[in-house]
Amino acid sequence: QPVLTQPTSLSASPGASARFTCTLRSGINVGTYRIHWYQQKPGSLPRYLLRYKSDSDNQQGSGVPSRFSGSKDASTNAGLLLISGLQSEDEADYYCATWYNDAWVFGGGTKLTVL
Amino acid sequence: EVQLVESGGDLVQPGGSLRLSCTASGFIFSSYEMNWVRQAPGKGLEWLSYISSSGSLIFYADSVKGRFTISRDNAKNSLYLQMNSLRAEDTAVYYCARDASLGLWGQGTLVTVSS
Repeated sequence: QPVLTQPTSLSASPGASARFTCTLRSGINVGTYRIHWYQQKPGSLPRYLLRYKSDSDNQQGSGVPSRFSGSKDASTNAGLLLISGLQSEDEADYYCATWYNDAWVFGGGTKLTVL
Repeated sequence: EVQLVESGGDLVQPGGSLRLSCTASGFIFSSYEMNWVRQAPGKGLEWLSYISSSGSLIFYADSVKGRFTISRDNAKNSLYLQMNSLRAEDTAVYYCARDASLGLWGQGTLVTVSS
């Protein structure tokens, strides 16, 4: 079982909100880790969006709009990325990552379609 | 301008070697830990290696341990990845990424391993 699991795809309408999940493997407590989020548009390099561990330990990437936010769901052991007010330009792949056992670990990515 | 620029990607035969470089500008390179991350065609992000700001601490992914070597020259604001015993599955775009959040990425350099 991978360390981080993401749904392969997500669809939402313009103006709506999108909720991305990044589920940690059983036995790895999401409360212990900073979850980082990246956006990658086709043919482009990944862009750092934000990281979230707690309300007192979080960081927004430089120039990233406030409609991108991070959170956690302890009940499902998942890190969350929330995008409000979806725009067509938000259509991209979204990756979560964390530093685990002396290595960066990435989720498989979620493709967001805005339609 | 704060940026990372990778170079050295090329077409190489299986079993061959290649050295990638990542040149930093616009920030104090010696203050930041650095990483190499790759992305195979149509696939997700895969972390390869980490080096601390001084170069004294290094980690590798199991997939490249023993074949790839990360290094840096802070006087030249440069990060390197020596890749030996290359395989077809090493074909990917290789990115360098800065800091403890992978907060800054280069544009990537393409490595193709094929006969």
